Amino acid sequence: DIQMTQSPSSLSASVGDRVTITCRASQSISSYLNWYQQKPGKAPKLLVYVASNLQTGVPSRFSGSGSGTEFTLTISSLQPEDFATYYCQQSFGTPIFTFGPGTKVDI
Amino acid sequence: EVQLVESGGDLVQPGGSLRLSCAVSGFTVSSNYMNWVRQAPGKGLEWVSVIHSGGSTYYADSVKGRFTSSRDNSKNTLYLQMNSLRAEDTAVYYCARETKNSLDYWGQGALVTVSS
Repeated sequence: DIQMTQSPSSLSASVGDRVTITCRASQSISSYLNWYQQKPGKAPKLLVYVASNLQTGVPSRFSGSGSGTEFTLTISSLQPEDFATYYCQQSFGTPIFTFGPGTKVDI
Repeated sequence: EVQLVESGGDLVQPGGSLRLSCAVSGFTVSSNYMNWVRQAPGKGLEWVSVIHSGGSTYYADSVKGRFTSSRDNSKNTLYLQMNSLRAEDTAVYYCARETKNSLDYWGQGALVTVSS
């Protein structure tokens, strides 16, 4: 089974900061990596698919990169609405998906 | 407009059964891969199952043999039949559409609590 890790598990940042979250896979997953944002009490929202493709409607301050086993999600200038928990998810092992443990971004 | 609306969440005793529904509007369930994902209180996301457009189903090891995903094409609705429920199945259950190997539309979630 493919295992996913994320770092850091949480971070504190300020509005306007550049934030980077790292996701690592236990084996190469090519570019089959997606990123989601989840706010308390809400369903997750797809931000980035296949490592670097921005989902329609997602602000351009979000970007994804990486391939193989290491991936990053970057928020270029943190906005108040970006405080949330972020999850990576591998789809290389489809039909079985695996999520990372999450990174909580707070003030 | 795409909408996924889960229902059926409830409090159930250990060993009991429950069926969740996910009513979909805006696209055809039978033409898509439909997933279930759950989230235990205060925990992360866990993939549960998928039903493919061709009808094949796949499950996480943690629920295999106990949970069954199905759909009713006439109602455009996805179901998750959960049997032999355990305390560790307590979670919010989300249905989600799969597109380009990602989950692009999600329901609001249904809370299942397994407790005596």
